Amino acid sequence: EPEVTQTPSHQVTQMGQEVILRCVPISNHLYFYWYRQILGQKVEFLVSFYNNEISEKSEIFDDQFSVERPDGSNFTLKIRSTKLEDSAMYFCASSEATLNTEAFFGQGTRLTVV
Amino acid sequence: LAKTTQPISMDSYEGQEVNITCSHNNIATNDYITWYQQFPSQGPRFIIQGYKTKVTNEVASLFIPADRKSSTLSLPRVSLSDTAVYYCLVGDEAAGNKLTFGGGTRVLVKP
Repeated sequence: EPEVTQTPSHQVTQMGQEVILRCVPISNHLYFYWYRQILGQKVEFLVSFYNNEISEKSEIFDDQFSVERPDGSNFTLKIRSTKLEDSAMYFCASSEATLNTEAFFGQGTRLTVV
Repeated sequence: LAKTTQPISMDSYEGQEVNITCSHNNIATNDYITWYQQFPSQGPRFIIQGYKTKVTNEVASLFIPADRKSSTLSLPRVSLSDTAVYYCLVGDEAAGNKLTFGGGTRVLVKP
């Protein structure tokens, strides 16, 4: 069964450092997403990406965040200057379409900012 | 304003059927109802989606009454590995460019 893969599974970084979280979506999918989940809280939408541009983003996705699809397979989330409150699980997801379509999630990257 | 309301938690025992009801009084004509499952420290996983009456797959059944103001996810004969959080999403919570997750229902299956 095709799956979304994320690397690394765990990342520890110092406050103020830049991190890049990597994702390989399912190959024939056209829509890509990043979500995050702070420990014990809800899964929150960050950003969606289609046709090489951001299609929607949440209030959380401020200027410290950026996404990129540098080649035909990878989808990355960059946090420029991490803060303690960025510590969370970050999930990448992809889907074939948007309306009433199943989204496939990766296993997540646990980011810890110290 | 939340579009869906579901119980915060439910306990069950192995081999029992678990039914989780989600209320969505303001569901729109074009809205579908979608359920996701999330195991601890994993990403959400799509379980089932429906529009009306009953939908069944290898994992669960989804019952939707005629007025569509609620829906019930039914998990037959649960095992310990079904312990997870189950999310009900309706309409644009599960469409467009993003999913909007509420708190979900935490199901604990006991031996």
